[in-house]
Amino acid sequence: GENVEQHPSTLSVQEGDSAVIKCTYSDSASNYFPWYKQELGKGPQLIIDIRSNVGEKKDQRIAVTLNKTAKHFSLHITETQPEDSAVYFCAASNGDFGNEKLTFGTGTRLTIIP
Amino acid sequence: NAGVTQTPKFRILKIGQSMTLQCTQDMNHNYMYWYRQDPGMGLKLIYYSVGAGITDKGEVPNGYNVSRSTTEDFPLRLELAAPSQTSVYFCASSYVRQGSGEQFFGPGTRLTVL
Repeated sequence: GENVEQHPSTLSVQEGDSAVIKCTYSDSASNYFPWYKQELGKGPQLIIDIRSNVGEKKDQRIAVTLNKTAKHFSLHITETQPEDSAVYFCAASNGDFGNEKLTFGTGTRLTIIP
Repeated sequence: NAGVTQTPKFRILKIGQSMTLQCTQDMNHNYMYWYRQDPGMGLKLIYYSVGAGITDKGEVPNGYNVSRSTTEDFPLRLELAAPSQTSVYFCASSYVRQGSGEQFFGPGTRLTVL
């Protein structure tokens, strides 16, 4: 089955700087890669996703890049703000529609230092 | 819409006891999922359902049972609770169709087995 590795496990950045979280996956058939943000005491919430026919996707301060050849994808957060502090999870899926069953990484705890 | 609701929020069980974790969604989603989240780990899929009357095992199904008699409800049953089932349990739902299917998560149930 699919295996998703995520690095780093913890990340601290100064407010206003950029943060990058990286994930690798093992199943070359995976075709959907979402990123979820989990705030303390809450369930995860989708922040951005990308499909295998696209190399990069951006939504305001958040971007995701995908390298299918190397089987890795990354989350980029620019101009970080205190409200970006949370745990971030990457995931991968290879369902017929691309998103039925997700395999999650182990998470990155991001702390923004004011 | 209330989204995905879970009850209870917290529960302490003794070894060998049984309980049912409730999950309800009001978004008319076809897919529903149960995950467990252990400290420092990502979410692992326990069971999922593609529609009323249809369920399937995920990555870690042992010790759990599910049923899906309606579109809205997807209860998770723990029989003979064990300390290894101490975890935070998340229910999620999605409307899976071509090109979409964001998973929406409930707030979680924190279960401790002593």
